[in-house]
Amino acid sequence: AQSVAQPEDQVNVAEGNPLTVKCTYSVSGNPYLFWYVQYPNRGLQFLLKYITGDNLVKGSYGFEAEFNKSQTSFHLKKPSALVSDSALYFCAVRGYNNNDMRFGAGTRLTVKP
Amino acid sequence: EAQVTQNPRYLITVTGKKLTVTCSQNMNHEYMSWYRQDPGLGLRQIYYSMNVEVTDKGDVPEGYKVSRKEKRNFPLILESPSPNQTSLYFCASSGTWGPGNTIYFGEGSWLTVV
Repeated sequence: AQSVAQPEDQVNVAEGNPLTVKCTYSVSGNPYLFWYVQYPNRGLQFLLKYITGDNLVKGSYGFEAEFNKSQTSFHLKKPSALVSDSALYFCAVRGYNNNDMRFGAGTRLTVKP
Repeated sequence: EAQVTQNPRYLITVTGKKLTVTCSQNMNHEYMSWYRQDPGLGLRQIYYSMNVEVTDKGDVPEGYKVSRKEKRNFPLILESPSPNQTSLYFCASSGTWGPGNTIYFGEGSWLTVV
């Protein structure tokens, strides 16, 4: 069965600095990878996904993620963090023959002015 | 506006008192599912439905029931709630089942069982 690990519970970044939120996965066959963001008292909002093709995926709000098959990673990145990026971020994975989307435990990103 | 709507958003109930959390989507999606979110555990799937009258268990189905009589609605039923079902619940949907399809989430329902 597939699984996702987000090794950092908390990431702190200064505004204007680049940010990275880490994600590694385990799945049989080709992975389908997703990033979601959750703001306080809100549902999960889709940011971006990797299905196939270019390893660098661009998504909403200036976020991007890099798929690395050899390292089984899908790290979320942004060149210049904003205070408004502060939220809870979830990485998720699906395998081809399994409907279940597995989520990581989440990483809380705090961007300080 | 395309959305997944859950009700109630907040509920405090007592052990054993049956409750239903409704979920409705206006995107004509075939696939719907329920998740619960607990600190340090991320989201775990409770039940899912690939179409009308087709439902199946997810990772944590114990204590829950669902039904899918209409395409747009997928209610979550707690027949006899217990305190360990205190959690944040999300309903979600996508157009069809397919591993690359994006899942869209409702705003969440905070449930406290005392």
